[in-house]
Amino acid sequence: GAVVSQHPSRVICKSGTSVKIECRSLDFQATTMFWYRQFPKQSLMLMATSNEGSKATYEQGVEKDKFLINHASLTLSTLTVTSAHPEDSSFYICSASPLAGDYNEQFFGPGTRLTVL
Amino acid sequence: DQQVKQNSPSLSVQEGRISILNCDYTNSMFDYFLWYKKYPAEGPTFLISISSIKDKNEDGRFTVFLNKSAKHLSLHIVPSQPGDSAVYFCAASGRGAGSYQLTFGKGTKLSVIP
Repeated sequence: GAVVSQHPSRVICKSGTSVKIECRSLDFQATTMFWYRQFPKQSLMLMATSNEGSKATYEQGVEKDKFLINHASLTLSTLTVTSAHPEDSSFYICSASPLAGDYNEQFFGPGTRLTVL
Repeated sequence: DQQVKQNSPSLSVQEGRISILNCDYTNSMFDYFLWYKKYPAEGPTFLISISSIKDKNEDGRFTVFLNKSAKHLSLHIVPSQPGDSAVYFCAASGRGAGSYQLTFGKGTKLSVIP
């Protein structure tokens, strides 16, 4: 149980295009989903917290207009990287916190490798 | 300002021996601590956690120790196996830090030598 999927697992795009990454909780409902970014040899950095049906809360330094987050249902959150540039190339990981779970519980997706040419 | 620190970027241990991974934190509001294991190009996998009301939690080969006064925790793996080779992240959360939010350390790469 508690499986989180991400799609796509890997994406390569041209500079200036937009890329959408989906995060799904497959066997549980998630009121809260998180988006992280990991640079090579660095820690996971929280980008934003999204609650179903409301606007995402972004961490300091994360551009809201560039990283659009939508959490339209209790099982799906999407991250859209708009007008992507090479510096946006990174490993993006989502996690989901169960509706009825411990507030500390987070289950992680497998990640999405974004490469912007 | 790094609130969760893993000062050893890497650690090598012989198979069968004990692996000890360390983590320090600075935020007194943290009240829950977790360890994750991560392989390259994959999401983290939860290993073990500990609440601040405890000083030890054990699960099979994995034991986490918490020293609140020193703001220090450690993960012990006994006996270490080659399959344990991965990057281990320490994470912390607390109501003061915002419910559900995890703050991660930079990770320690563990290599278990057969």
